[in-house]
Amino acid sequence: DTGVSQNPRHKITKRGQNVTFRCDPISEHNRLYWYRQTLGQGPEFLTYFQNEAQLEKSRLLSDRFSAERPKGSFSTLEIQRTEQGDSAMYLCASSWGTRTDTQYFGPGTRLTVL
Amino acid sequence: GQNIDQPTEMTATEGAIVQINCTYQTSGFNGLFWYQQHAGEAPTFLSYNVLDGLEEKGRFSSFLSRSKGYSYLLLKELQMKDSASYLCAVSLDNNDMRFGAGTRLTVKP
Repeated sequence: DTGVSQNPRHKITKRGQNVTFRCDPISEHNRLYWYRQTLGQGPEFLTYFQNEAQLEKSRLLSDRFSAERPKGSFSTLEIQRTEQGDSAMYLCASSWGTRTDTQYFGPGTRLTVL
Repeated sequence: GQNIDQPTEMTATEGAIVQINCTYQTSGFNGLFWYQQHAGEAPTFLSYNVLDGLEEKGRFSSFLSRSKGYSYLLLKELQMKDSASYLCAVSLDNNDMRFGAGTRLTVKP
């Protein structure tokens, strides 16, 4: 099964540290999305890529957040100078990129900032 | 702003039928999705509606009325494994997907 994978699955860090998460989408998918989800809430859109181009960024994505997809395959999401409010599940999803298509989610990276 | 509303919690009995409603007010619309999410796991795709009407897929059906900004997910012959959160999501014109907060369904024996 070559679904969406994310690493690490869990990350505990101290406030002020930088963290980086990786997402490997389904290989044929050209669109990749990042979401953040807190307990009891639905996923909140952060950003998405069409191939290697970052086409949309949410206002939720502060300057401390940066995402890349250098070769149009895997993507990384970096959070600099983490804050306790960054504690959440970070979900990655991928899709074919048609006008209205289904997003397939990875298992997520749970971040805890102490 | 974009608003997607669904009940926070529902409880139903094994073998019964449950309907989870979703209303939305969004600046664009490219379709409505329902996802299932078990605790601690990623959302998994259940259904997609872009035209008005009912889409049936086994025990699950989804309905959409674009003029009313309304959808529902119907689950029949409930099983204990159906206990999960059900997320309503609207795809906007810019490919942004907006999710509701989810409805936590508990199925009791």
